[in-house]
Amino acid sequence: QMQLEESGPGLVRPSETLSLTCTVSGGSISSYYWSWIRQPPGKGLEWIGNIYYSGRTNYSPSLKSRVTILVDTPKNQFSLRLNSVTAADTAVYFCARDAYSNDYIGWFDPWGQGTLVTVSS
Amino acid sequence: QSVLTQPPSASGTPGQRVTISCSGSSSNIESNYVYWYQQVPGTAPKLLMYRNHQRPSGVPDRFSGSKSGTSASLAISGLRSEDEADYFCAAWDDSLSGVVFGGGTKLTVL
Repeated sequence: QMQLEESGPGLVRPSETLSLTCTVSGGSISSYYWSWIRQPPGKGLEWIGNIYYSGRTNYSPSLKSRVTILVDTPKNQFSLRLNSVTAADTAVYFCARDAYSNDYIGWFDPWGQGTLVTVSS
Repeated sequence: QSVLTQPPSASGTPGQRVTISCSGSSSNIESNYVYWYQQVPGTAPKLLMYRNHQRPSGVPDRFSGSKSGTSASLAISGLRSEDEADYFCAAWDDSLSGVVFGGGTKLTVL
């Protein structure tokens, strides 16, 4: 059974870069899109962006200028970088397997357990 | 403000049927598939419905999804206490070139 696990610092200083990695186990990262989604405390879900195993990316228009998503197929990992963070970027960050086809993007299953990242000095 | 509109709350008693709506537009719900997620507080969301009305294995047939025009809905029949959770709809938006979520509906089983 496929499992995803997020890892990275739980505290980031304002104006610095948030970096997270998602490690995929129990299956190959090939042939799918892979997404990052976040949830501020007590609020709803926000899609950040995704990457196809080949490296093609889609980013949320509201975050596009600050986001980079990369994939490392030999390591079965993909990563998120969000620069120039502010307190508004404090959230639980989830990684998830997305669709196998461009026609079905938004089909998130399974999800990682999520990791809380706090932006504070 | 979320692109997809959901009622913030819904409630029902055990055994009842409840419906949660998700309203969008021609650039998202009308032209793309709708997905539903269930999130118990403190845990990761779980896929509940994909491609509008299809249930992943393991999801009881008490849950059903539908779509018509720019709106979608999730129905839960035979309500049970373990259905108490937050429910989110999602869809690709052609204008924004991204996935959009509803703001979420908190379901309370009275």
